[in-house]
Amino acid sequence: NAGVTQTPKFQVLKTGQSMTLQCAQDMNHNSMYWYRQDPGMGLRLIYYSASEGTTDKGEVPNGYNVSRLNKREFSLRLESAAPSQTSVYFCASRTRFLTPAYEQYFGPGTRLTVT
Amino acid sequence: KNQVEQSPQSLIILEGKNCTLQCNYTVSPFSNLRWYKQDTGRGPVSLTIMTFSENTKSNGRYTATLDADTKQSSLHITASQLSDSASYICVVSAIGNAGNMLTFGGGTRLMVKP
Repeated sequence: NAGVTQTPKFQVLKTGQSMTLQCAQDMNHNSMYWYRQDPGMGLRLIYYSASEGTTDKGEVPNGYNVSRLNKREFSLRLESAAPSQTSVYFCASRTRFLTPAYEQYFGPGTRLTVT
Repeated sequence: KNQVEQSPQSLIILEGKNCTLQCNYTVSPFSNLRWYKQDTGRGPVSLTIMTFSENTKSNGRYTATLDADTKQSSLHITASQLSDSASYICVVSAIGNAGNMLTFGGGTRLMVKP
């Protein structure tokens, strides 16, 4: 089991460029999440997908779009990157079952710099 | 607004010493509280999770406590090791949203020196 995988690990973009961050999980989890982590701040939820075919906005969705391609894959797209989107992006997933209390499993992260 | 505050922001201790990290939250209605360990350049990994009825949970040298009345939690690390150097994140979940909305603290960065 690879768990949650993310590609790429690092990316540098120029302002205005677009890109898609990929996430896949092999744990047969129903729900998947995208977070961003900025220095000194807690992780903030961008979008989530409670189940295949559904997506919902989180706390900071502006400037992002998502696609739940199938049960395994959940991608995050930046249509026109801005310096404010420089951050570390984490994908997470969890089972729909209560144990252990909706625990989320995180990927290794993508470090994105927008110049 | 739901908030999670952690203290201290950073901490340096000598190998073998104990330490305690603090977490205060205002998340309501409370569902559960988790502590995650995040190594540099990696994603967070769960250490413990506690629901309303639990006030202590251990995972090896890590012991978490929860006081739901004062809305405080602590993570105690015993006999620290160099591998304990990491950020420790307190995460609180409210009832509702099917557990999809978590509130994350900013973390405590722990450095263990030899």
